[in-house]
Amino acid sequence: QVHMVESGGGVIHPGKSLRLSCAASGFAFSQFTMHWLRQTPDGRLQWVAVISPDGDDKFYVESVMGRFAISRDNSGQTLSLHMTSVRADDTATYYCARESDGASTDFDFWGQGVLVTVS
Amino acid sequence: DIQLTQSPSSVSASVGDTITLSCRASRNIATWLAWYQQKPGKAPKLLIYAASSLHSGVPARFSGGGSGTEFTLTINGLQPDDFASYFCQETNSFPLSFGGGTKVDI
Repeated sequence: QVHMVESGGGVIHPGKSLRLSCAASGFAFSQFTMHWLRQTPDGRLQWVAVISPDGDDKFYVESVMGRFAISRDNSGQTLSLHMTSVRADDTATYYCARESDGASTDFDFWGQGVLVTVS
Repeated sequence: DIQLTQSPSSVSASVGDTITLSCRASRNIATWLAWYQQKPGKAPKLLIYAASSLHSGVPARFSGGGSGTEFTLTINGLQPDDFASYFCQETNSFPLSFGGGTKVDI
């Protein structure tokens, strides 16, 4: 069955860098658009970044543009998020999510989430 | 960017009740809307896509409606497992946006 596990979270000082990973299994990873989303401590969900199946196309929410980089390794079935120059407002639980195989950009499977605390 | 406003922010209900949650978009998004359920400490789960289509495996007591700027999620006959938070999401334009959520408690 579809399974995604995030790792790499923790406590990090402002201005530092961190790399999150998402190990995917149970589906043809290379055929799906993948996303990172986050949920802030007040419970609000925010979309962060998207990457196309071949990795050529990437988009980011404005607040992380130029600081975060999404990437993927299709042979290793891994999604990554390289976070640099982190700020206090990057504190959140980060989720990787698979985009549904349909016309709309919704998310049919999510990882369990990994907490990043900037302090 | 599209803003999504959910109401109410919380609602108290009983097992067996029928409740309707609302999501309002800041501009016309046709039927580009999804609904998710989230329980504490867990990731969101997709319930409804394209405003009214039930995701695979989701019980039929969940239904979605609306188009344009006004959307609803109805739960017919609340079950104990349904007490959770519910979020709407715009699914067509980047940056994708979410509503602030509605918490359904006993």
